[in-house]
Amino acid sequence: EADIYQTPRYLVIGTGKKITLECSQTMGHDKMYWYQQDPGMELHLIHYSYGVNSTEKGDLSSESTVSRIRTEHFPLTLESARPSHTSQYLCASRLGLNEQFFGPGTRLTVL
Amino acid sequence: AQKVTQAQTEISVVEKEDVTLDCVYETRDTTYYLFWYKQPPSGELVFLIRRNSFDEQNEISGRYSWNFQKSTSSFNFTITASQVVDSAVYFCALTKSYNTDKLIFGTGTRLQVFP
Repeated sequence: EADIYQTPRYLVIGTGKKITLECSQTMGHDKMYWYQQDPGMELHLIHYSYGVNSTEKGDLSSESTVSRIRTEHFPLTLESARPSHTSQYLCASRLGLNEQFFGPGTRLTVL
Repeated sequence: AQKVTQAQTEISVVEKEDVTLDCVYETRDTTYYLFWYKQPPSGELVFLIRRNSFDEQNEISGRYSWNFQKSTSSFNFTITASQVVDSAVYFCALTKSYNTDKLIFGTGTRLQVFP
């Protein structure tokens, strides 16, 4: 069983608020990822990291930003949330060439 | 371009029925990897299987089995004697090579198993 955690699990906020979605893993995995899952269920990669101080943008353009100061921690920040950001956000991690393990997700609603 | 198609949006079965989830992929690469993930109502994606393009052997794990056919670019997933706990969304995914970080997901198939 993967040890990857996301908080909060659910978040409802108003437009214009700054939010940070937390993702932590205790497995020592070097690679971490953020996916956005729209209501139609499709998943899109928005950010990834190969290790500390490494961040890259994924296939889907996103207004969010990420940081990787510690191996185990990969937070995602939205400076000014909008209703279009309403979605489920899934964090994943991977060690070397192994498969990706996913966290439980954060369901974000922006009013 | 790479693409994964899961044509079945939703499938409903009664417990103990067998069910097959279809996955068709497109890629021009000779080396690639295919995956199946399960997403239960709790939200996380659970890894089920990984298969590389050079290994066309079918695999069986308990009630789960996978049929990989390069000739038809398909990687189908069968659940035998389905159970209510199998109710979830199932995703098929493709990656260009094992070292790439880009998983290309299909749109998922929602399976509902009724008692």
